[in-house]
Amino acid sequence: SQQGEEDPQALSIQEGENATMNCSYKTSINNLQWYRQNSGRGLVHLILIRSNEREKHSGRLRVTLDTSKKSSSLLITASRAADTASYFCATGGSNYQLIWGAGTKLIIKP
Amino acid sequence: EAGVAQSPRYKIIEKRQSVAFWCNPISGHATLYWYQQILGQGPKLLIQFQNNGVVDDSQLPKDRFSAERLKGVDSTLKIQPAKLEDSAVYLCASSYHSNQPQHFGDGTRLSIL
Repeated sequence: SQQGEEDPQALSIQEGENATMNCSYKTSINNLQWYRQNSGRGLVHLILIRSNEREKHSGRLRVTLDTSKKSSSLLITASRAADTASYFCATGGSNYQLIWGAGTKLIIKP
Repeated sequence: EAGVAQSPRYKIIEKRQSVAFWCNPISGHATLYWYQQILGQGPKLLIQFQNNGVVDDSQLPKDRFSAERLKGVDSTLKIQPAKLEDSAVYLCASSYHSNQPQHFGDGTRLSIL
């Protein structure tokens, strides 16, 4: 079953602009993770944010978590062509198993 | 470190045939996962191993799918007999512990004719 719902389903922006993707979920979590998947490849872990954290940064990535609203956002600043990929959020519960959303397809136009 | 290795990368079979996928996780990773990813969707967990024991196989269609992880290292996933709806990418992932980020292989793309 899929818990996370990413929004939007697809996003197309110009290179250099910022990209924001959102994830909503239904049940309580221990952590929330964001992954990237390039076409024809496996998923690559980007950031893990724990339920007691509100914001986390990694390079050009910024993730926020609002447990009261059961939502998270992923911001990619100064986008590059290489950021073109699908982005998935996955929530980890008490058993740490991940439940995945359907992903946001991001296209960066040169 | 070497990543998660999967083979084959592509497989085309006819319905009712059997197929097997192989996965070699990152050395030292105790937890191994098999996912099914249908085009346009997120991964769906089929089975999770902790060393060579099964932690969760609640979404594995056990009448046709089987998986094993002998000696707690490599793993194989088998489908017999295959159905048209099994067309998907089968991803293997591993992690040091179940509460750690997962590392994925590039998957096997299975097409059923």
